[in-house]
Amino acid sequence: AQSVSQHNHHVILSEAASLELGCNYSYGGTVNLFWYVQYPGQHLQLLLKYFSGDPLVKGIKGFEAEFIKSKFSFNLRKPSVQWSDTAEYFCAVRGGYQKVTFGTGTKLQVIP
Amino acid sequence: KAGVTQTPRYLIKTRGQQVTLSCSPISGHRSVSWYQQTPGQGLQFLFEYFSETQRNKGNFPGRFSGRQFSNSRSEMNVSTLELGDSALYLCASSTGDTDTQYFGPGTRLTVL
Repeated sequence: AQSVSQHNHHVILSEAASLELGCNYSYGGTVNLFWYVQYPGQHLQLLLKYFSGDPLVKGIKGFEAEFIKSKFSFNLRKPSVQWSDTAEYFCAVRGGYQKVTFGTGTKLQVIP
Repeated sequence: KAGVTQTPRYLIKTRGQQVTLSCSPISGHRSVSWYQQTPGQGLQFLFEYFSETQRNKGNFPGRFSGRQFSNSRSEMNVSTLELGDSALYLCASSTGDTDTQYFGPGTRLTVL
């Protein structure tokens, strides 16, 4: 069975600070990895995804994530956060045609 | 393309009643997944349908059921509602391969 762990439940940063949100998964085979974001009052939307190839993937709004297979990790990063990045961030994994499993989410609050 | 639509957006029911939620996927998408979102629990997978067949199922009691129609629209039903069923129910559609899911706005169910 696959699982996802997000280490930080609530993160508070000042504008311009760097962000790294941890995500670890467990699954024995090939996986597809995702980060989704839910802005206040909005739908869940895709930030970025990894299927294969370059383990460093870039997404919308300056976000990027690095897939490290040996560590079963897919951490999300942004060099300089803005107040508009305040949202909840979800890491998700899908192994083969199994269900997509989501982490419990990390609430990011950016203080102007 | 129109996004994923869910109806109704809000529902208030009492314990013991049943409820049916509807989801219309993005045109051309053949896979529909349902999730229950609650504070602290994140997104819990309910089930996934692909071409009218249930492809994956989460760990929810039999009171939760779903189906998919030939036009890919999907419904989920919850019978004998309990207070703990109060949540945001999200529907997501995809083409059916192990690709990106697109989420609807959700149906907010309150059980009194």
